[in-house]
Amino acid sequence: EAGVVQSPRYKIIEKKQPVAFWCNPISGHNTLYWYLQNLGQGPELLIRYENEEAVDDSQLPKDRFSAERLKGVDSTLKIQPAELGDSAVYLCASSLGRSSEAFFGQGTRLTVV
Amino acid sequence: RKEVEQDPGPFNVPEGATVAFNCTYSNSASQSFFWYRQDCRKEPKLLMSVYSSGNEDGRFTAQLNRASQYISLLIRDSKLSDSATYLCVVSRGYSSASKIIFGSGTRLSIRP
Repeated sequence: EAGVVQSPRYKIIEKKQPVAFWCNPISGHNTLYWYLQNLGQGPELLIRYENEEAVDDSQLPKDRFSAERLKGVDSTLKIQPAELGDSAVYLCASSLGRSSEAFFGQGTRLTVV
Repeated sequence: RKEVEQDPGPFNVPEGATVAFNCTYSNSASQSFFWYRQDCRKEPKLLMSVYSSGNEDGRFTAQLNRASQYISLLIRDSKLSDSATYLCVVSRGYSSASKIIFGSGTRLSIRP
């Protein structure tokens, strides 16, 4: 069974430029998460989807970050414009439900220069 | 104060030793508890769920103490391959406002 797929794996952009990350969850998983992980820290939840509905986006900096989950399957996370402090690993995870095990993708390592 | 707190370590122990980590959580409404393992530059992977009755999987034992609001992970007969960061995860679960909170992780290094 295919796991959570994220792309790109690495991205280097200049500050003030836009960037987008893509996530394909495990088939049948209706819960999808986007996390941000800084070096030496645990993942921090940015947004959680139940199917196509964003049910928890309280930690998403909405002035520059946006996300969507079309048809309750794939999801994209966008940053516009990117700032130096956005450099981190962006992890996508999916689960069968909010109390079930979450499976993570390999992440996108973003470097803003 | 963070909602989920872990000792960052690093714990540096010899192969074959027994090592234990604790994780404390502040929200008494928390419902689900997990330990994840994360290798360097890799994604987190579930190590084990933590049940009220405790949970054992080979050399790993996880326990939950609701009264004192902490969970623990015990590793017996540690192997070099156990070297990783161990993340504590707490979820309030069961409602649309549920939160999934990761601790900052405890780094474990097993030496030969």
